[in-house]
Amino acid sequence: NAGVMQNPRHLVRRRGQEARLRCSPMKGHSHVYWYRQLPEEGLKFMVYLQKENIIDESGMPKERFSAEFPKEGPSILRIQQVVRGDSAAYFCASSGGGVPEQYFGPGTRLTVT
Amino acid sequence: AQRVTQPEKLLSVFKGAPVELKCNYSYSGSPELFWYVQYSRQRLQLLLRHISRESIKGFTADLNKGETSFHLKKPFAQEEDSAMYYCALHKGQGAQKLVFGQGTRLTINP
Repeated sequence: NAGVMQNPRHLVRRRGQEARLRCSPMKGHSHVYWYRQLPEEGLKFMVYLQKENIIDESGMPKERFSAEFPKEGPSILRIQQVVRGDSAAYFCASSGGGVPEQYFGPGTRLTVT
Repeated sequence: AQRVTQPEKLLSVFKGAPVELKCNYSYSGSPELFWYVQYSRQRLQLLLRHISRESIKGFTADLNKGETSFHLKKPFAQEEDSAMYYCALHKGQGAQKLVFGQGTRLTINP
């Protein structure tokens, strides 16, 4: 079991471009969570998805950010028109069967220049 | 609202000394508490959950509901314990988000 996979590991975007971050959950897991870690801060929840459904997006910024977890393929966190303040590490986690333990991917480090 | 506080950003102890990483939480319900650890260049991994009441790598943590604390302890620190440690709270009902503290960077000096 390869665990939670994220790609790319590092992403550099210029201001105004779009960033797409991908997450493949652990085999057998159907719950995906995205967290953001700003420099010198802890992980902050963004969104929780199940296949084809957004369950909780209370941590998502109201504009420019969106997430999906299609029936087939990885979950995608999309940031449109990136700004410098979006520079952070974005972590994906997955869980299965409604249990609270979450397993994390290695993260994607986004740098906006 | 749920909140997790780790008051120490940095903690440094000598090898063989006892270690205690503090974690306090605020939540009116019955939460589940976790400790996650991130070793250098590795992903965040689950270390302990309070409900299992087990010892992992010599670490233990007891949930104290009266003091709303979930401190992580180890009687004799080892150099390989150097890492970032995050305390996290889960509302305890099915699959939901985790609320993390800011983390404590533990350094074990030889």
